[in-house]
Amino acid sequence: EIVLTQSPGTLSLSPGERATLSCRASQSVNSRHLAWYQQKPGQAPRLLIYSASSRATGIPDRFSGSGSDTDFTLTISTLEPEDFAVYYCQRSGGSPYTFGQGTKLEIK
Amino acid sequence: QVQLVQSASEVKKPGSSVKVSCGASGGTFSSHTINWVRQAPGQGLEWMGKIIPIVGIVYYAEKFQDRVTITADMPTKTAYMELTSLRSEDTAVYYCARDRESDIVASYGMDVWGQGTTVIVSS
Repeated sequence: EIVLTQSPGTLSLSPGERATLSCRASQSVNSRHLAWYQQKPGQAPRLLIYSASSRATGIPDRFSGSGSDTDFTLTISTLEPEDFAVYYCQRSGGSPYTFGQGTKLEIK
Repeated sequence: QVQLVQSASEVKKPGSSVKVSCGASGGTFSSHTINWVRQAPGQGLEWMGKIIPIVGIVYYAEKFQDRVTITADMPTKTAYMELTSLRSEDTAVYYCARDRESDIVASYGMDVWGQGTTVIVSS
């Protein structure tokens, strides 16, 4: 099973700053099978990025994804108040699909 | 725009079973894979399995292989997840989620999610 490790566990930033979230895989991951989700308290997750770098429908362009092989990054260029949430990476190239443990992005 | 609407919250006794439904309104159903993902209180996301309704293929995470059954009824556009031999550790919010695109093996992002069904296992 491929394990995804996200860092940092918690990221404290202010609105207007840039956020960089990391997702590292225990084995190589086909970038087509790497996605990022945002989850706010009491809500279902929301797809932000699929295939490592493609924004899902309706996602603002301040969100971007990059990476390959075992190292992937989600970048939020300029934080808006509504961006403070928990972010998960996921690989889905074959069973079992696995999620990282999440990065909590909190207001500093 | 498709929406996934899940069944209401449930409280179950240890050792019993629960069956959660996920109904699709609007858009297509059979051509998209439906996944089941759970989230224990204060914890992360855990993928349980998926079904491809149009071909009837099902995959389960090994952890749940012996206890979970995922089915789909195409005429009613409803998917189901049944979990048996419930224990306290199964207390969680259970989500269904549709693949935006997929093939037999892989998913390319889950773009539509149900609202979640809370299952509490308690004696």
